[in-house]
Amino acid sequence: ETGVTQSPTHLIKTRGQQVTLRCSSQSGHNTVSWYQQALGQGPQFIFQYYREEENGRGNFPPRFSGLQFPNYSSELNVNALELDDSALYLCACRPGGLQETQYFGPGTRLLVL
Amino acid sequence: QKEVEQDPGPLSVPEGAIVSLNCTYSNSAFQYFMWYRQYSRKGPELLMYTYSSGNKEDGRFTAQVDKSSKYISLFIRDSQPSDSATYLCAMSAGYGGSQGNLIFGKGTKLSVKP
Repeated sequence: ETGVTQSPTHLIKTRGQQVTLRCSSQSGHNTVSWYQQALGQGPQFIFQYYREEENGRGNFPPRFSGLQFPNYSSELNVNALELDDSALYLCACRPGGLQETQYFGPGTRLLVL
Repeated sequence: QKEVEQDPGPLSVPEGAIVSLNCTYSNSAFQYFMWYRQYSRKGPELLMYTYSSGNKEDGRFTAQVDKSSKYISLFIRDSQPSDSATYLCAMSAGYGGSQGNLIFGKGTKLSVKP
């Protein structure tokens, strides 16, 4: 077990709606990253939070935003959903220190109709 | 050219075979290399982690990194049907900020037949 949980497991939305996905990790995982994985592709980096501040972003528009809370939980918010946003959204947490490994949650599968 | 190239397969082998999975990359700044295993509709599970060049062995799994050739490999010995999954290579340039994010290959789908 990675100690990383995500909710909900599945979600169906319609185009134009907004969605919030959640991630929780065990204490000490002070860096959290979010990834989008389209079907048949590898995960793509959305952004990273460290101590409640965004400190890295991939090639995703501003309608993808996030939050990290003092209890190591995190949210990914997506506004104005588009059909191409349908994907598996993964949260990954990094243990403290210099280790580069990231531990992934089970993901939230989002379908936009 | 993509930063990380990985043959998507699918790759089908008989039980007990040695499996070789490979990725090539173009960014010479990458120094952290990982292999993840992903079962259908699940999150990626970390298998192997290597820093810089060299070999690392863990049970039936061996990871190799050749930075001079920008080439990494994962070998699975005595493959089992339970190894059937998609294998993703991932790499990063370093800690913190966007440098700490992982760049993934597309994944290779492996099927081990009993």
